[in-house]
Amino acid sequence: AIQLTQSPSSLSASVGDRVTVTCRASQAISSALAWYQHKPGRAPRLLIYDASLLESGVPSRFSGSGSGTEFTLTISSLQPEDFATYYCQHFDSFPLAFAGGTKVEIK
Amino acid sequence: VQLVESGGALVKPGGSLRLSCVASGFVFDTYAMTWVRQAPGKGLEWVSLISGGSDSAYYADSVEGRFTLVRDSAKKTVYLQMNDLRADDTATYYCARVSQELVRLGYFDPWGQGTQVTVSS
Repeated sequence: AIQLTQSPSSLSASVGDRVTVTCRASQAISSALAWYQHKPGRAPRLLIYDASLLESGVPSRFSGSGSGTEFTLTISSLQPEDFATYYCQHFDSFPLAFAGGTKVEIK
Repeated sequence: VQLVESGGALVKPGGSLRLSCVASGFVFDTYAMTWVRQAPGKGLEWVSLISGGSDSAYYADSVEGRFTLVRDSAKKTVYLQMNDLRADDTATYYCARVSQELVRLGYFDPWGQGTQVTVSS
């Protein structure tokens, strides 16, 4: 089974900061990766799919990059509504999997 | 497009529960459907997926042999039958649609709001 490892597991940042989260796959998955934002009590929200494509309606400050085994999610200028937990998910093969998440907190 | 889960409850270890997810706003039969859970204080965990034609269902190792995922086209509903429940099955269970038509391997959008399952004596 393909395993995903996300880093850091948490970070503190200020409004306006540039934030980068990394997701590593245990084997190559081409671009079969998605990123989600999750806030307590709410449904997860798809942000990025196919590693770098922005989901419709998602602000352009979110971007994704990478292929193979290493991927990044970048928030170019952190906004108050961006404080949440972010997860990567691979869809290369079954079983599907999520990484452990990165909690973005207010500094 | 909307997904509405139901069926979550408090159940004793070893018990059974069936979760439902009713879909609306899209052509149900052409999309794979999935369940993802989040245990208290933990991250998201993929649980199971069923293809659009119901010909295949896939499971995480943690639930293989205990959970069964089926779908009813007439009711536009997927059902997650959970047997032999354990304390570590306690979680919020989310139903989601695979975003692309006619594929099994994909990303998930949209998601339902979730239903709470608690396994405790």
